[in-house]
Amino acid sequence: DTGVSQNPRHKITKRGQNVTFRCDPISEHNRLYWYRQTLGQGPEFLTYFQNEAQLEKSRLLSDRFSAERPKGSFSTLEIQRTEQGDSAMYLCASSRDNYEQYFGPGTRLTVT
Amino acid sequence: KQEVTQIPAALSVPEGENLVLNCSFTDSAIYNLQWFRQDPGKGLTSLLLIQSSQREQTSGRLNASLDKSSGRSTLYIAASQPGDSATYLCAVLRNNDMRFGAGTRLTVKP
Repeated sequence: DTGVSQNPRHKITKRGQNVTFRCDPISEHNRLYWYRQTLGQGPEFLTYFQNEAQLEKSRLLSDRFSAERPKGSFSTLEIQRTEQGDSAMYLCASSRDNYEQYFGPGTRLTVT
Repeated sequence: KQEVTQIPAALSVPEGENLVLNCSFTDSAIYNLQWFRQDPGKGLTSLLLIQSSQREQTSGRLNASLDKSSGRSTLYIAASQPGDSATYLCAVLRNNDMRFGAGTRLTVKP
């Protein structure tokens, strides 16, 4: 399968814990995006990478959130000291430059 | 700030009907517009991409149009089928930031 993959698919954690999600983009894509989606809403942009450089971050991305793409391939999104408001679906997408974005299946986070 | 609106929020039609989903955006300086399908609890599947210089794209029973000057796009679905039931999202890309509408939840009844 050469699509975008995300792990884990589901994560349940207690408030205050740290969580990390992984995204593996389509191999020839230089751009990688993270989005957050809550029920009944469209995805909201969080951040994006061009190769290994993080070029833009949304104001939604508080200091508790950090994303990396160390070798310009896979990316990780870490949330520290999780809060109940962090419960959402976290989606990753990749593209070649500004062309079509392809999305992964998402990681559903539940903070109890 | 780019705002994307989709109307209607929900739509229910009998099988076989042709239908139109609407998307409007406030800032016409976009790079492209993309239509997606999302099944419950799943990720997004790309349906059609329209570059800002294009006016429409077609794929099978789907046709998407773009009128950048008026800030509108439509997704036309011909001969709808129960398998088309899903949420349809439009998204506009400006700079490096993609903004989504809240989606239209489509139900096609057999």
